Amino acid sequence: DGGITQSPKYLFRKEGQNVTLSCEQNLNHDAMYWYRQDPGQGLRLIYYSQIVNDFQKGDIAEGYSVSREKKESFPLTVTSAQKNPTAFYLCASSPSTQGTTEAFFGQGTRLTVV
Amino acid sequence: GENVEQHPSTLSVQEGDSAVIKCTYSDSASNYFPWYKQELGKRPQLIIDIRSNVGEKKDQRIAVTLNKTAKHFSLHITETQPEDSAVYFCAATPRGGGTSYGKLTFGQGTILTVHP
Repeated sequence: DGGITQSPKYLFRKEGQNVTLSCEQNLNHDAMYWYRQDPGQGLRLIYYSQIVNDFQKGDIAEGYSVSREKKESFPLTVTSAQKNPTAFYLCASSPSTQGTTEAFFGQGTRLTVV
Repeated sequence: GENVEQHPSTLSVQEGDSAVIKCTYSDSASNYFPWYKQELGKRPQLIIDIRSNVGEKKDQRIAVTLNKTAKHFSLHITETQPEDSAVYFCAATPRGGGTSYGKLTFGQGTILTVHP
């Protein structure tokens, strides 16, 4: 469905724990992105990657980490340093590293801190 | 970096009416402006986009206009239908060097409700 898969769909985390959200795409896209969605705040960019083994911080990178060891995969780790991690997380990919083509989104992961 | 402001945050219309959502951007070098629709519980999906060398683009009931001088762009939906009810996001891509290259910045979203 759409070629970009996020897992799990729902994730519960205890305070103080790190968790990793998976994002895999089989679209052969070069660029991948992680967004956080909160009510009334739109989509805020956490990290993005234009090429394997390289990534850049977005607007709200603090408390998050990523890796891009393979073109198809861009996992996001929510660390214990993220003070308010409860949110809906969306991964996206795009064929263009210039950001000038359609970005395809995964179905999202809803993370809840318990 | 780029900043995108979107208005209104909520919009309620009667079926058959038109709906207009407006966005402004801050980086005059931005050159790509997509609009995404997100239905409840689903992923955002592209509905229309426009590049900076074009002033208007239409696709059936939806159209987007771009005013580069004023740095704003708008989404127009005509003959609205209940299935148009969703959250709509605008976005802009700044160009230039450094970490802003290729970064897609979204507006805050508009909740559109079309009443039958």
